[in-house]
This record gives sequence, structure tokens and C-alpha cells, in this order.
Amino acid sequence: GENVEQHPSTLSVQEGDSAVIKCTYSDSASNYFPWYKQELGKGPQLIIDIRSNVGEKKDQRIAVTLNKTAKHFSLHITETQPEDSAVYFCAAVARTDSWGKLQFGAGTQVVVTP
Amino acid sequence: DGGITQSPKYLFRKEGQNVTLSCEQNLNHDAMYWYRQDPGQGLRLIYYSQIVNDFQKGDIAEGYSVSREKKESFPLTVTSAQKNPTAFYLCASSISPSGGRVEQYFGPGTRLTVT
Repeated sequence: GENVEQHPSTLSVQEGDSAVIKCTYSDSASNYFPWYKQELGKGPQLIIDIRSNVGEKKDQRIAVTLNKTAKHFSLHITETQPEDSAVYFCAAVARTDSWGKLQFGAGTQVVVTP
Repeated sequence: DGGITQSPKYLFRKEGQNVTLSCEQNLNHDAMYWYRQDPGQGLRLIYYSQIVNDFQKGDIAEGYSVSREKKESFPLTVTSAQKNPTAFYLCASSISPSGGRVEQYFGPGTRLTVT
């Protein structure tokens, strides 16, 4: 089955700097890679996703890149702000999985200091 | 106002009691999922369902049960057989995994404390 590893587990950045979180996956059949942001005490919020036919996707200050050959994908947050502080999860799902079961990484605690 | 609702937000129970967590969605999504999250941990899949009256065990189904009698509802029962029930429980839904629409959206969660 799919195994997703996420690094780092914690990330501290100065406001205005960039943050990068990396995930690797094991199943070459995986074709959908979402990123979730979870604030304390709340449910995860889907912030951006990418499919295997695309190498990069941007949405304002966040972007996701995908390297299918190396089986890794990354979340990039530019010009970080205090409200970016949260736990971020990556996930992957295989096109062969008709149930759409996501395999999640362990999460990255991002702290943006003013 | 569309979305996924979970109730209650906080739930307290005595050990040995069964408890049912509610999850409702008005997004007309086919599939629904239950996850468990422990402090500082990731999400682990408990049960999932793609159609009414059908559901499958996830990675940690022991001590839990579900039903899917209506498309919009997927309640989770935490039974007394669950050894460590205290956790944050999250419900999610997706449009149609069998049709390639696998994007999952989460509810606000229910924090269950069993003493």
C-alpha cells in the first residue's frame, strides 16, 4: 500500500520568509496529492492539490510542486504571515483506489514568528 | 450554506458506555469517511462508505461501528470495546471517488473524552 513521509515535523520561520514542506510517496500509481491546513481544534482545510499530469500549481502565496520520477511533492508558502501558523498535512491517493482513500503524512507544525 | 456538520463539538462519556458521533453533509457527496486524530498525530482511517447501506473498515475499525442509511448521514458509534476512545474524531466526504473526484472535505470535528 501507499506510504507517505513528511518532513520536517516542525518548521519555524520569520514572518515574510518562505516555508517549504516536503513529502515522499511510495506507490507509483498515486495520482492525486492534496495539502491540508489544520488550525488548533479545527478540521483540516483543503488548501491546494495537484494531479500527476501537472508539475506545479500556484494559488496566491502557496504553490505545490510534483516530481513523479522521484516520487515527491512539496508545499511552498511565500511571504509567510502569522495566520499561516498551523499544522499542514500532505496526502496521496492512487488512481487504482476506487474508494478514494487518502494516505496522510504525519504533519508539519509551522510557526510563523512576527 | 453547504458543508459538513459534526455534533457535538465536545463530548464526555464514562468508560463502558457506547457513544454515537453525528456527521451530516448537504453537499450531495457520494463518499463519507471517519478519521481519528490523537494529539500531535496524523489522521487514521476508521471507516468509509461510498454508497448508502455499504461501508468498509479502515485501518483502525476495531471498537467502532457505522451505518449509512441515508446519503447525507454517516454516524459513528464508539463502543465500549474501543480501548482508548479519547481522541479528536473527524468526518469527511468526497464527491465521487469511483468517478475520479477524490477531493475530501472535512467537518469541524468532535472531541471525545472518556473517563
